[in-house]
Amino acid sequence: GAGVSQSPSNKVTEKGKDVELRCDPISGHTALYWYRQSLGQGLEFLIYFQGNSAPDKSGLPSDRFSAERTGGSVSTLTIQRTQQEDSAVYLCASTSRGTEYEQYFGPGTRLTVT
Amino acid sequence: AQRVTQPEKLLSVFKGAPVELKCNYSYSGSPELFWYVQYSRQRLQLLLRHISRESIKGFTADLNKGETSFHLKKPFAQEEDSAMYYCALSAAGGGNKLTFGTGTQLKVEL
Repeated sequence: GAGVSQSPSNKVTEKGKDVELRCDPISGHTALYWYRQSLGQGLEFLIYFQGNSAPDKSGLPSDRFSAERTGGSVSTLTIQRTQQEDSAVYLCASTSRGTEYEQYFGPGTRLTVT
Repeated sequence: AQRVTQPEKLLSVFKGAPVELKCNYSYSGSPELFWYVQYSRQRLQLLLRHISRESIKGFTADLNKGETSFHLKKPFAQEEDSAMYYCALSAAGGGNKLTFGTGTQLKVEL
């Protein structure tokens, strides 16, 4: 079946603009994660959604970052007033109930802030 | 807070040689550890987890709590093993969110 999809694949934006990144998890997957990978860094956890529970936002680096998950499926990560340090690859992953240990990753969105 | 360290950015070996990708962690509780792999132009995917104690594609990894290590090993490297390898840790009660190392690029040369 289809895997996790993310859009856009690449996004170039000017400093100070807002951006929205989208993630479509695998159908039926209950949990969704956002990570980012900055140049030379490992993947950094941002936020996690599990079913109808309140999201775990402990990894969001600032209040410019927010995310929502509508209808328990699609998620949007929003970055307001982008800064150059926000440039990174943003990865989304989802997991299925019963095999929560295995995260299925999307292809990522490469964000470049100029 | 937990931390995962992969000391080597690049590891180059010849085909047929043994491979060991190092991973050390710091975490006060009982962690669950994973190796994820990203082949060229493919997505990040799970290679193995310590609980399963399986050998996947000839790779094994043993959790050593005394040394807080989870090194990935393969006795004979193959060209198709060339990829980026990430060690990751999931903390107890953490909702399976992962803390990743910075990754090691494995290059298997002919």
